[in-house]
Amino acid sequence: EAGVTQFPSHSVIEKGQTVTLRCDPISGHDNLYWYRRVMGKEIKFLLHFVKESKQDESGMPNNRFLAERTGGTYSTLKVQPAELEDSGVYFCASSQVGRVFNEQYFGPGTRLTVT
Amino acid sequence: ELKVEQNPLFLSMQEGKNYTIYCNYSTTSDRLYWYRQDPGKSLESLFVLLSNGAVKQEGRLMASLDTKARLSTLHITAAVHDLSATYFCAVWTGNQFYFGTGTSLTVIP
Repeated sequence: EAGVTQFPSHSVIEKGQTVTLRCDPISGHDNLYWYRRVMGKEIKFLLHFVKESKQDESGMPNNRFLAERTGGTYSTLKVQPAELEDSGVYFCASSQVGRVFNEQYFGPGTRLTVT
Repeated sequence: ELKVEQNPLFLSMQEGKNYTIYCNYSTTSDRLYWYRQDPGKSLESLFVLLSNGAVKQEGRLMASLDTKARLSTLHITAAVHDLSATYFCAVWTGNQFYFGTGTSLTVIP
């Protein structure tokens, strides 16, 4: 069974540009989460999808970030326009709805560098 | 907002030695996770601790949970090089995870 995949693995962009990150969850996982780790700090929750619906987007930093999950499969996270403080590693995780332990399976992350 | 403090941030230890990583959290939770991350790889779930006094062991790693003290520990016994990685604790509140800052562990031969 394929795990959670993310693309690209690395992205270097200039301030003001746009970047789109993609996450493919494990097949059949309706829960999809985005997280971010800024250098040396904790991993922070950004938002949670159940299928194509945003269940909780309380962690989204500002309106420069837009997440979508059309069709309830893969998800994209767009940053437009990117700022220096957006640099970090963006993780995606997925889990099955209804599981007691809500064990989340993480992708390897996308390292975003804004220069 | 729930705070999760993990220490130490960096840990360099010799093979064969023992050490403990600490994870304190600021509000009530009855579910705590430990994850391991190798460079460039996914976070891998190590342990899920569900109740006060829970203790789980896998190989040279043992995790415990004290919900009254809001403290979890990850104890490393007789470290080996393969344990070098970053370890995260994470508290589940029912709708999202709150992670610690991670402990970067390097085991030196």
